[in-house]
Amino acid sequence: AQTVTQSQPEMSVQEAETVTLSCTYDTSESDYYLFWYKQPPSRQMILVIRQEAYKQQNATENRFSVNFQKAAKSFSLKISDSQLGDAAMYFCAYIRGNQFYFGTGTSLTVIP
Amino acid sequence: ETGVTQSPTHLIKTRGQQVTLRCSSQSGHNTVSWYQQALGQGPQFIFQYYREEENGRGNFPPRFSGLQFPNYSSELNVNALELDDSALYLCASSLLAGVEETQYFGPGTRLLVL
Repeated sequence: AQTVTQSQPEMSVQEAETVTLSCTYDTSESDYYLFWYKQPPSRQMILVIRQEAYKQQNATENRFSVNFQKAAKSFSLKISDSQLGDAAMYFCAYIRGNQFYFGTGTSLTVIP
Repeated sequence: ETGVTQSPTHLIKTRGQQVTLRCSSQSGHNTVSWYQQALGQGPQFIFQYYREEENGRGNFPPRFSGLQFPNYSSELNVNALELDDSALYLCASSLLAGVEETQYFGPGTRLLVL
């Protein structure tokens, strides 16, 4: 069974606009961590934002924010004021114990 | 740049051969995790090494093995290569082995098995 699901293989956004990438996950745990990673065409994956499940407040990092709905097991990423450099594959990841589960990714295109 | 380096960048092998991939962790990090990323897929967790000991393993057969050295660099070894082993292999280092730790990824090694 897929632990992390990203239902949008591709998304596009106009430069300076806002886009939301979806992620759902499956778990019976109450305490865990969720991450969004970005993989630009150069391949090196970098952390965008992370959320601790025990925190009710949604994480924010500059133009990036999440909408964490614990009961719904949903963890979406909102990118505000999109920039050309935001074009990349975005992966949602869930950490359980010593194992890390990544979704299949969403390819984001930013249109000038 | 994350400070994590991997070598080689590309590799071509034939089925049945053995391969060793290398990873140097970011300075001060004692934990290294390895992932396999098939084309168009997300990374799949292979295993993690913490202070030279395996500290968790994904659903990969025993022909995938690893080592971590006293300087915390790491190797991934794959024996009896199969065509399906063709993928991008990523390593990631973290300060500690806890689940809350951010992982810093290297650029990957692209392996092609013919």
